[in-house]
Amino acid sequence: IAGITQAPTSQILAAGRRMTLRCTQDMRHNAMYWYRQDLGLGLRLIHYSNTAGTTGKGEVPDGYSVSRANTDDFPLTLASAVPSQTSVYFCASSVEVYGELFFGEGSRLTVL
Amino acid sequence: GQNIDQPTEMTATEGAIVQINCTYQTSGFNGLFWYQQHAGEAPTFLSYNVLDGLEEKGRFSSFLSRSKGYSYLLLKELQMKDSASYLCAVMDSNYQLIWGAGTKLIIKP
Repeated sequence: IAGITQAPTSQILAAGRRMTLRCTQDMRHNAMYWYRQDLGLGLRLIHYSNTAGTTGKGEVPDGYSVSRANTDDFPLTLASAVPSQTSVYFCASSVEVYGELFFGEGSRLTVL
Repeated sequence: GQNIDQPTEMTATEGAIVQINCTYQTSGFNGLFWYQQHAGEAPTFLSYNVLDGLEEKGRFSSFLSRSKGYSYLLLKELQMKDSASYLCAVMDSNYQLIWGAGTKLIIKP
């Protein structure tokens, strides 16, 4: 089934550890995004990529990095996790930057 | 600053009609989206409005008034499976999406 796959689904890690959330899409979409979702707040954009080889910062990029080596993969790395990064992380993609978003199932991250 | 406002929670009865409002103040406008999100799941696309007026898609309709900075999502013939959060998002002049916090809709039998 075509779509977006995120891994892991859920993770608990200690503060200070490095963590990479994986995201792969098989729809050949140009644009990809990482959002975090916290209770009572709207989705907040962390980083985005309009096309392979390019990335940009969103609303809340501090403490996170991304890469887009090819069309399909868009990993999100937390270099040194902190408790405020406890959240549900959604990867999404769209055909073009102004189009409908397709979301992965989310990665629930708890930093202790 | 940019802002999207929608009610935090609404309750409606199965079979009835409910209207979920969304007001926005953004730097420019390039369209408004509605997404549905069931608890513990990913958001899924419902509708997109860029011109004023009503867009109908089955039991769901979405309305936009750009001059008023206002949209609503209308759900008819409510079913229990419509219990979910409904997210309003506006694309600003830089093609960045600004998201509301979502409206949790509770459907009662």
